Amino acid sequence: AQSVAQPEDQVNVAEGNPLTVKCTYSVSGNPYLFWYVQYPNRGLQFLLKYITGDNLVKGSYGFEAEFNKSQTSFHLKKPSALVSDSALYFCAVSSKGGSARQLTFGSGTQLTVLP
Amino acid sequence: NAGVTQTPKFRVLKTGQSMTLLCAQDMNHEYMYWYRQDPGMGLRLIHYSVGEGTTAKGEVPDGYNVSRLKKQNFLLGLESAAPSQTSVYFCASSLPGVVPEQFFGPGTRLTVL
Repeated sequence: AQSVAQPEDQVNVAEGNPLTVKCTYSVSGNPYLFWYVQYPNRGLQFLLKYITGDNLVKGSYGFEAEFNKSQTSFHLKKPSALVSDSALYFCAVSSKGGSARQLTFGSGTQLTVLP
Repeated sequence: NAGVTQTPKFRVLKTGQSMTLLCAQDMNHEYMYWYRQDPGMGLRLIHYSVGEGTTAKGEVPDGYNVSRLKKQNFLLGLESAAPSQTSVYFCASSLPGVVPEQFFGPGTRLTVL
C-alpha cells in the first residue's frame, strides 16, 4: 500500500520569505511524486512531478521540490513567497504497477502568505 | 478549449434519492477519474477508466457506479444516496503514460440530508 503524509495542516509565511511545505511518503518500489495546488472553489492544478533523475524538480510559478530517498520526503519550496501563493497544497504518490497510475493524495496543507 | 467540465456544480439530495454526476473533457484524454474530497482527508479515488467502455474500482467505490460510454464523458452515479456521501466530487482526466499529469474539473458539491 502507498501513503502520503503532510504533517502540517497550516503553514504561514510572510511575503518575500522562503516557504517550505513538507511531504513524506511510503511506497513499494520507486515512487512517482507530485504536487498539486487548489485555489478556493477550484479543481486541483498540477505544479510539478518527480519521476527519476535530478533530485531537485522545478515546476510552475517558481515552485520547486526536493526528492530525498533516504528520508522518503518530497518537500515543496519557493525562494520568495507571494500573497497569491496562498492556497491548499497536496502531495501525491504513485508507483509502478496499475494501469492508471493511481495517485494517493495527502490530506493537504493550507499555505497562507501574509502581506 | 474548456478542459474538464462537471455538471452540476451543486446538488442537495435526500437520503435514498439517486443522481448522476456528469464529467466531460475535450482534450481527447484516454484516462478519466472520479475522486471525492473530504475535509482533512485529501482526495480519494472512487472509480477510474482507462478507455471507452472500461471502468475499474478505486479506493472507495462502494455506493457508486460509473459508466464510460463515450471517450469524452465519464458518469458517476449514486443509486441510493447516504449522508456519508456528502462531499465534493472531482473529475479528472489524463493521457496514458508512466506518470500522467491529471487535469481536474471544478468540482461538484453534494449534500445528502
